[in-house]
Amino acid sequence: DTEVTQTPKHLVMGMTNKKSLKCEQHMGHRAMYWYKQKAKKPPELMFVYSYEKLSINESVPSRFSPECPNSSLLNLHLHALQPEDSALYLCASSQDYQGAGYEQYFGPGTRLTVT
Amino acid sequence: QKEVEQNSGPLSVPEGAIASLNCTYSDRVSQSFFWYRQYSGKSPELIMSIYSNGDKEDGRFTAQLNKASQYVSLLIRDSQPSDSATYLCAVKGRNTDKLIFGTGTRLQVFP
Repeated sequence: DTEVTQTPKHLVMGMTNKKSLKCEQHMGHRAMYWYKQKAKKPPELMFVYSYEKLSINESVPSRFSPECPNSSLLNLHLHALQPEDSALYLCASSQDYQGAGYEQYFGPGTRLTVT
Repeated sequence: QKEVEQNSGPLSVPEGAIASLNCTYSDRVSQSFFWYRQYSGKSPELIMSIYSNGDKEDGRFTAQLNKASQYVSLLIRDSQPSDSATYLCAVKGRNTDKLIFGTGTRLQVFP
């Protein structure tokens, strides 16, 4: 079973709101990822957690705050977003992070609109 | 030079034909290569991975890798209208543990 779940599917928020995106996987994977995807563009890596520790932060603005409560869960806390942050936010997981051969599986995504 | 290059398309093929999607990469020491299919408004779905030179077949899909030419391709046999999607090539290098995506090729299969 290669399933990654994400909630909510859609989110509309104002620029002063605080919201969170959630991601869960039960494949025993030890690496989890957040990507941002704009229309007609490839996914853009934001954060990587490996063994529940933040491994990569791709210079993402501080209004995006990731959290990995345990090996199955990944959250993305959102605060004071801008309209240009509207995008599809994708969570992915893989068996491990470093080394070859680790396939990443994506969740269905959260469509975020910032008004 | 972009790290992973794909023709944006659209690539239009008739139903039942072979669709050939191509990808080139710049990092000579890249190790792992992946093809994702993405339907409009949906998330990427992993359809093939390949790590060694040669061909790898899975149903109607064949991935081909040529590391000397820094080239990876995806063949879809007996193309169906349901194969119409954007196909993303992704490469993982030895010097980086990140997936580098191409911009994707849009495939259209017409009845």
